[in-house]
Amino acid sequence: IVMTQTPLSLSVTPGQSASMSCKSSQSLLHSDGRTYLYWYLQKPGQSPQLLIYEASNRFSGVPARFSGSGSGTDFTLKISRVEAEDIGIYYCMQSIQLSVTFGQGTKVEIK
Amino acid sequence: QVQLVQSGAEVKKPGASVKISCKTSGYSFTSYYIHWVRQAPGQGLEWMAKFKPGGDTPTYAQKFQGRVTVTKDTTTTTAYIELSSLKSEDTAIYYCAKTLDYFDVSGIAFWGQGTLVIVSS
Repeated sequence: IVMTQTPLSLSVTPGQSASMSCKSSQSLLHSDGRTYLYWYLQKPGQSPQLLIYEASNRFSGVPARFSGSGSGTDFTLKISRVEAEDIGIYYCMQSIQLSVTFGQGTKVEIK
Repeated sequence: QVQLVQSGAEVKKPGASVKISCKTSGYSFTSYYIHWVRQAPGQGLEWMAKFKPGGDTPTYAQKFQGRVTVTKDTTTTTAYIELSSLKSEDTAIYYCAKTLDYFDVSGIAFWGQGTLVIVSS
């Protein structure tokens, strides 16, 4: 499954919202009713960290300003009020297939 | 709390092999899948393999078939990945990671700190 993220980079003013897209080449809806799409943030020099699991569920400790939406093959990550600590590269990932694949990432910078 | 602590950086010559360890704690080692993901300098995340220490057959990315092996030691709750026939293009940070849930389609929730492997003559 090919994961395509847009845009590749985003420059955001603190306090403004930001939105990014992830499209999969096949549906990520499993027969068990769950959608296996995940969002990660990799801050500079750090390991990736899970933000959103199964398309729209915020992981433990993730601020409420992060939200995920979408279904099937089209997904969106939104940051409602960007803070300076949100800089880094955002990756989507699918795990519905045996072979996991990542999107190429969206780099978020602060203006 | 869940922890994955990886072995230190390695420098290898082309054609050699490297074996990286991932010591886990804070959860049932045999119940959750371990994934291995790498990241070349300045590049994105590339998935390599996954397996369940409780006995599942590993799944490898086609790109690495025949060159990568994942193993485990359940007594020390440690996972390993070995990559052979190293090339300069294998220079990367290698991450181990644990799934959120215990079934095979579950995504990754927790990551190790990464192990830098440099392949250079």
